[in-house]
Amino acid sequence: DAGVIQSPRHEVTEMGQEVTLRCKPISGHNSLFWYRQTMMRGLELLIYFNNNVPIDDSGMPEDRFSAKMPNASFSTLKIQPSEPRDSAVYFCASSHYGSGANVLTFGAGSRLTVL
Amino acid sequence: DAKTTQPNSMESNEEEPVHLPCNHSTISGTDYIHWYRQLPSQGPEYVIHGLTSNVNNRMASLAIAEDRKSSTLILHRATLRDAAVYYCIPGNNNDMRFGAGTRLTVKP
Repeated sequence: DAGVIQSPRHEVTEMGQEVTLRCKPISGHNSLFWYRQTMMRGLELLIYFNNNVPIDDSGMPEDRFSAKMPNASFSTLKIQPSEPRDSAVYFCASSHYGSGANVLTFGAGSRLTVL
Repeated sequence: DAKTTQPNSMESNEEEPVHLPCNHSTISGTDYIHWYRQLPSQGPEYVIHGLTSNVNNRMASLAIAEDRKSSTLILHRATLRDAAVYYCIPGNNNDMRFGAGTRLTVKP
């Protein structure tokens, strides 16, 4: 398996532009997570899905952020409009949920810079 | 969510054992104790997890206190490649929230 695949790996954009980050989870995994990491705030859980359904989006910073999972093999995190404070590394992770323990596999991350 | 306390940083010499502690005094009876680590410029990676008994795998060992209010991740022989931030996360569902973790420095 190729692991969790995220794209783009790097994105530089200007304030006000729409940003879309993409994630392909590991085949067979039924849970998907979006995290954001900054020096100031560390690794924050933004949202997670079970069986393509959003379960907890309490970590999504504000209405400018939205996440979708239209099918089991694809998810997007969209920021519209983007702001400089959204600059961070965004990680996607997936797992096979059901046993109680959570073994997450993370992607390599998408580094976003908003100018 | 169970609250965790880990030292901000620790140092180890190469080839020596490392014991990374974590306090999780508010852990619930059904929470597993997970450990992840994040190498420089990479995403976090799973290390080990346990519920009540001590656990071993090829990467590390996990020692869990009898009252489950603390645990220790043991790296038996630290290598330079083990330099990373180590996170302890109690939980039993998908609410996997990372704290600040412990930054491990390994000296040659």
